[in-house]
Amino acid sequence: DAKTTQPPSMDCAEGRAANLPCNHSTISGNEYVYWYRQIHSQGPQYIIHGLKNNETNEMASLIITEDRKSSTLILPHATLRDTAVYYCIVSSGNTGKLIFGQGTTLQVKP
Amino acid sequence: GAVVSQHPSRVICKSGTSVKIECRSLDFQATTMFWYRQFPKQSLMLMATSNEGSKATYEQGVEKDKFLINHASLTLSTLTVTSAHPEDSSFYICSAPRWADTDTQYFGPGTRLTVL
Repeated sequence: DAKTTQPPSMDCAEGRAANLPCNHSTISGNEYVYWYRQIHSQGPQYIIHGLKNNETNEMASLIITEDRKSSTLILPHATLRDTAVYYCIVSSGNTGKLIFGQGTTLQVKP
Repeated sequence: GAVVSQHPSRVICKSGTSVKIECRSLDFQATTMFWYRQFPKQSLMLMATSNEGSKATYEQGVEKDKFLINHASLTLSTLTVTSAHPEDSSFYICSAPRWADTDTQYFGPGTRLTVL
């Protein structure tokens, strides 16, 4: 599976949008972009995934560039409970094996 | 929504003993489950794939005789850490895919193992 690159940490003010970038320049045509997050001392939580179109659900929006080499996870109105480590993972979608990188630690501040 | 549970949530044991951790899918069946390990301030590391009705497949470097995995039913996988040592102290997390053909996984809350 392709590797991803994420900034190690980011801060965001409460109530503002949090934009978390991810680079995946070696992504293959059949690989999806998945986002998970892990709040301290809990199991990870699925957020969203996409192939090439932008996606939105009740938690977040996922913007994938046209060349698919990067993506951005958007939390439209960050709250203190969104403080977590966010993982961007690329996968073919049919193995179930998720390879986690170091992720981005998002700190939402009052 | 789909829920995955783990039991126990926390366990402390003496060096040399064995510890069993259960992972259950509560409202769906999972022919495959996954076990991860996470050391403090590190990311999750995939240990093995648990397959219902067949042997588990282990990632490179993971000792299959030390980390015994049994997937006896479509809703239960167990991980047994045999002859545990302090270096096995870690956060163990399981996951299960809600659908067979996606990587949309539901994760358990994790089990904190401390070996004295």
